[in-house]
Amino acid sequence: GDSVTQTEGPVTLSEGTSLTVNCSYETKQYPTLFWYVQYPGEGPQLLFKVPKANEKGSNRGFEATYNKEATSFHLQKASVQESDSAVYYCALGPPNSAGNKLTFGIGTRVLVRP
Amino acid sequence: ETAVFQTPNYHVTQVGNEVSFNCKQTLGHDTMYWYKQDSKKLLKIMFSYNNKQLIVNETVPRRFSPQSSDKAHLNLRIKSVEPEDSAVYLCASSRDWGGYEQYFGPGTRLTVL
Repeated sequence: GDSVTQTEGPVTLSEGTSLTVNCSYETKQYPTLFWYVQYPGEGPQLLFKVPKANEKGSNRGFEATYNKEATSFHLQKASVQESDSAVYYCALGPPNSAGNKLTFGIGTRVLVRP
Repeated sequence: ETAVFQTPNYHVTQVGNEVSFNCKQTLGHDTMYWYKQDSKKLLKIMFSYNNKQLIVNETVPRRFSPQSSDKAHLNLRIKSVEPEDSAVYLCASSRDWGGYEQYFGPGTRLTVL
């Protein structure tokens, strides 16, 4: 079956430094890849998605490239802020019109210190 | 802006009791879901409901049952709660059954004493 492996947290870093959260996936399909973010007391919300291989997604300074050859989708941000403290989930979904079951990674807690 | 609403926010109960959680989405979506999120933040799909078709995750115990009156509402009932049911229950919706992103509610935190 499908699986997603991501950086085990917590990841603690200082404001202004760079962040990388690794994500690798396994699937027999051509998936759509997602990054979700969950702030304290809220449900997960979509950060961005990338449906096609070799394309990049980005939002709020975060970005990730869908690397089909390496089966990776690492999340990066050049300079984090305290407000980026949250849990980040990498997720894999089937290609369009093939069902909507998302496979989530374990979630990576990121703590940004001022 | 929240478009997936869940009630209650919190619920504390004793082993063996029955509980029911409500979820409503105002996005006009056709598909709704229930997830369980454990203390380690692991997300597990429990149910998917699309146009009156229920898809059950085989690992969900029988004491859990979803209930839907229309495509905007999907409730979750737990007949006889057990300590391992303590978790956050997240409701989500998506536009359709075709690879679209899911929108989550804020969750209901259940504590079973």
